[in-house]
Amino acid sequence: EPEVTQTPSHQVTQMGQEVILRCVPISNHLYFYWYRQILGQKVEFLVSFYNNEISEKSEIFDDQFSVERPDGSNFTLKIRSTKLEDSAMYFCASSEALRTAGSPLHFGNGTRLTVT
Amino acid sequence: AQTVTQSQPEMSVQEAETVTLSCTYDTSESDYYLFWYKQPPSRQMILVIRQEAYKQQNATENRFSVNFQKAAKSFSLKISDSQLGDAAMYFCAYNAGGTSYGKLTFGQGTILTVHP
Repeated sequence: EPEVTQTPSHQVTQMGQEVILRCVPISNHLYFYWYRQILGQKVEFLVSFYNNEISEKSEIFDDQFSVERPDGSNFTLKIRSTKLEDSAMYFCASSEALRTAGSPLHFGNGTRLTVT
Repeated sequence: AQTVTQSQPEMSVQEAETVTLSCTYDTSESDYYLFWYKQPPSRQMILVIRQEAYKQQNATENRFSVNFQKAAKSFSLKISDSQLGDAAMYFCAYNAGGTSYGKLTFGQGTILTVHP
C-alpha cells in the first residue's frame, strides 16, 4: 500500500537555526498537511496545502513557518529561526479527494525535531 | 471552536476481550466527520474507522465499531476480540468538512495496553 514518507526521522538543531522537514505524499493525492505533536500533548493542525497554495493555517503557523512543494513530489515544512518550543513530532499527511469532506488523511511516520 | 475530549488516558484489556474507548466532542455544526486513528510505537497514524454525522448507522470495520450518539456528542470505539497488535495510542478526531476540509481536531489520546 502506498505510504507517506518523511525524512529525517529525527532532526536535532540549535536554537535560531533554520530547519527543513521533508515529506513525500502519496503520488495521486491532491491535499497536503502538516501537523505537530508536542511531547505529551495533542496532535495539532498546522497547515493545509492545495494547488500550490495554503488552503488553511492555524494560529500556530506564524511567519517563521513556510511550506512548499518544490518539485511536484516533495512537500516541505521550513522553520526559519527555530525556538526551543518548536521541539515536537511533526507529521505530514496527504489525502486524495478533491473537496470530498471526510476523505481520510494518510499520515507519515513523523519527524522528531529537537531544538537545543 | 470545536473540542475533542478523551477522558481515559490509559486503558487495558485482556487478549480476546472487548474494550471501549470513549470520546466526546463539542461543535455547533450539524454535518461533520469523526475518526479514530491508531498510533502504534512505529509512530505512524493509521485510520481505524470514520463516521459521517449525517449517517445514523454506526460504522464498523471488522473488529472495530463505533457507538455514535449525535445528540450526546459522543463517539466511542469498541474493539472486539482484542489482539496484541491492537496495543497503541488511539486518537479520536473531528473534521468540520466544508472549507475546513482536512483540518482535524484531535483528542488527547488513550493508550491501550493488551495483556496476553
